[in-house]
Amino acid sequence: GENVEQHPSTLSVQEGDSAVIKCTYSDSASNYFPWYKQELGKRPQLIIDIRSNVGEKKDQRIAVTLNKTAKHFSLHITETQPEDSAVYFCAAVGNQFYFGTGTSLTVIP
Amino acid sequence: GAGVSQSPSNKVTEKGKDVELRCDPISGHTALYWYRQRLGQGLEFLIYFQGNSAPDKSGLPSDRFSAERTGESVSTLTIQRTQQEDSAVYLCASSFRPLAASYNEQFFGPGTRLTVL
Repeated sequence: GENVEQHPSTLSVQEGDSAVIKCTYSDSASNYFPWYKQELGKRPQLIIDIRSNVGEKKDQRIAVTLNKTAKHFSLHITETQPEDSAVYFCAAVGNQFYFGTGTSLTVIP
Repeated sequence: GAGVSQSPSNKVTEKGKDVELRCDPISGHTALYWYRQRLGQGLEFLIYFQGNSAPDKSGLPSDRFSAERTGESVSTLTIQRTQQEDSAVYLCASSFRPLAASYNEQFFGPGTRLTVL
């Protein structure tokens, strides 16, 4: 089965700095890579996704990159704000949804 | 419009009792997923329904766990003879497209927080 590793597990940045979260996967059949944000006590919500035929996708302050050869993908958040503080989960989707273990991001005002 | 709903929101039970958790997906969503999230942990896949059938039950932790879905709508997750290690938030999600579709946003419910004493 798939194995999705996510790093770092915790990340603290100063407001305005950038944050990068990285994930690796093992199953070549995975072809869709969403990122979910879970604020404290709330449900996960999709923030951005990328398909395997695309190398990069950007939506305002967030971007995702995919290196299919190396089987890794990353989330980039620029100009971080306190409201970006949350747990972020990557996922690799093929025959199943495999989530990473999560990154707790804290943006320090 | 209505999102995914789950009930109860909180459930406290005694070890050894059976519990039943309910999920109402978004109307028209054919795919439904159950996850377990222990405190401070990630999302552990339990089971996936496409329509009323469950092509993948590989995530169910033991034979004490079962799930069913009727009428491409409501799903129930049943845990028999609960153990303390079953304590977690159980999240349900639904999606319009099947899992195999190339784009497949999942919409999550608020979860049921299960505490086994």
